[in-house]
Amino acid sequence: EVQLVESGGDLVQPGGSLRISCAASGFTFSSNPMSWVRQAPGKGLEWVSEISGPGKDTNYADSVRGRFTISRDNSKNTLYLQMDSLRVEDTAVYYCAKWGRDYGAWRTYFDYWGQGALVTVSS
Amino acid sequence: EIVLTQSPGTLSLSPGERATLSCRASQSISNNFLAWYQQKPGQAPSLIIYGASSRATGIPDRFSGSGSGTEFTLTISRLEPEDFAVYYCQQYGGSPKTFGRGTKVEIK
Repeated sequence: EVQLVESGGDLVQPGGSLRISCAASGFTFSSNPMSWVRQAPGKGLEWVSEISGPGKDTNYADSVRGRFTISRDNSKNTLYLQMDSLRVEDTAVYYCAKWGRDYGAWRTYFDYWGQGALVTVSS
Repeated sequence: EIVLTQSPGTLSLSPGERATLSCRASQSISNNFLAWYQQKPGQAPSLIIYGASSRATGIPDRFSGSGSGTEFTLTISRLEPEDFAVYYCQQYGGSPKTFGRGTKVEIK
């Protein structure tokens, strides 16, 4: 059974930093690209970042580029999101999400999601 | 950036009725890389449809996806009580990946 369990969500002041984690199990984590998707309170979904299976290739939404860093430790089956220079508008539930696979190729639709980590940025 | 417009914003229907949800893209989505998700209150989204028309594992056949280019549709043939939720479309044919704002299917 695929499981994604986020942790590390917290209340942080504007300008502060936070790292959230996502522990994965039930699939071959090291080969599966992963993403972070966030949802502000009462709002829709926003793709934040993605990382390849080996961890060498990353990509970011313009809204977080230069402030957030995605990484992974395949020996620990864990995905991370380091968030620096946090802003009030970064307040959201952050979901880790597993890429799907279609016709033998990885695709950026999300076939499994974690339960989410709440990050609140407020003074 | 591909903008996805979902309509209607809210759909009020009764159990057993047919639901038709629309997702329109601001430009053609390559290879029909369009997915649909269901989200219930307090829960994470869950995948229903990928590739515009392929049902995800375990999704009942009352859910169907169709469309191509810029016009896509999610149809629920007969609404069950557990189907009342918010539905999002997402495109993964262009960068950045984008989501629609959602359609809420509520009990009439």
